[in-house]
Amino acid sequence: QKEVEQNSGPLSVPEGAIASLNCTYSDRGSQSFFWYRQYSGKSPELIMSIYSNGDKEDGRFTAQLNKASQYVSLLIRDSQPSDSATYLCAVNRRDTGRRALTFGSGTRLQVQP
Amino acid sequence: DADVTQTPRNRITKTGKRIMLECSQTKGHDRMYWYRQDPGLGLRLIYYSFDVKDINKGEISDGYSVSRQAQAKFSLSLESAIPNQTALYFCATSGQDRALDNEQFFGPGTRLTVL
Repeated sequence: QKEVEQNSGPLSVPEGAIASLNCTYSDRGSQSFFWYRQYSGKSPELIMSIYSNGDKEDGRFTAQLNKASQYVSLLIRDSQPSDSATYLCAVNRRDTGRRALTFGSGTRLQVQP
Repeated sequence: DADVTQTPRNRITKTGKRIMLECSQTKGHDRMYWYRQDPGLGLRLIYYSFDVKDINKGEISDGYSVSRQAQAKFSLSLESAIPNQTALYFCATSGQDRALDNEQFFGPGTRLTVL
C-alpha cells in the first residue's frame, strides 16, 4: 500500500463548477497535511496546509481533514481554466521522525472553458 | 528575486560523468531537501538536512551525495551519472516555526538528462 494515494485523473470539470480532489494516507500518526499545485514543467506551489480535523478555507480553496478515516480532500470552488494543473497531496513522514514529507503522485485537474 | 534558486536549470550529460546541482535560498530557513520527480511517480526524497551538521538519507539516496556548505546552500552530486537518473530535480526549504512545520517551498527545478 502506498503511503499517500491519489487518483491520477484527469479530473475534468466545467468552468465555474466545484472540483473535488481526494487523498488517502496509510500512517495514522501523520500530523501535517499539505496540498501543492504544480503546473506542467514548473515547481510545486503550496496552496493549503491543514493540521486539525475539519475544514480550512482560503479563498476559493477548502481543505478537509478526517484523521479517523485517513483522508484529506481539497475543494476548489468556481473552478477556472487557470486551475488546470496537477495537485499533489503530502503528509509528514514517520520514517524521518516527522521531519520530511511523503507526496502522492498527484491528480491532474482539467477545467473546461 | 527568487527565494530558492537552483543551478543549472537544464543539463545534458553523459553516462559516467560527475554532476553537481546547486541550491541556494534567501528565506533564512534551516531545513533543506532534495527531491527527484519522474512522470507518474510523484516527488521522491533523496536527501534532507536540518542544519549544516545534520544530513540524512531519504528514500532514494543510492547514487547521490550531498553537501551543506552553509545554511543557505545545499548541493546534490551524482558521482557517476547513469541514464535512469534522468529526471526533474527540485530543492525545497522549510522553516522551524512549529505551527508551520514542514511547509516546504520549492526552487524552480533542474531538468537533468543523462545520455
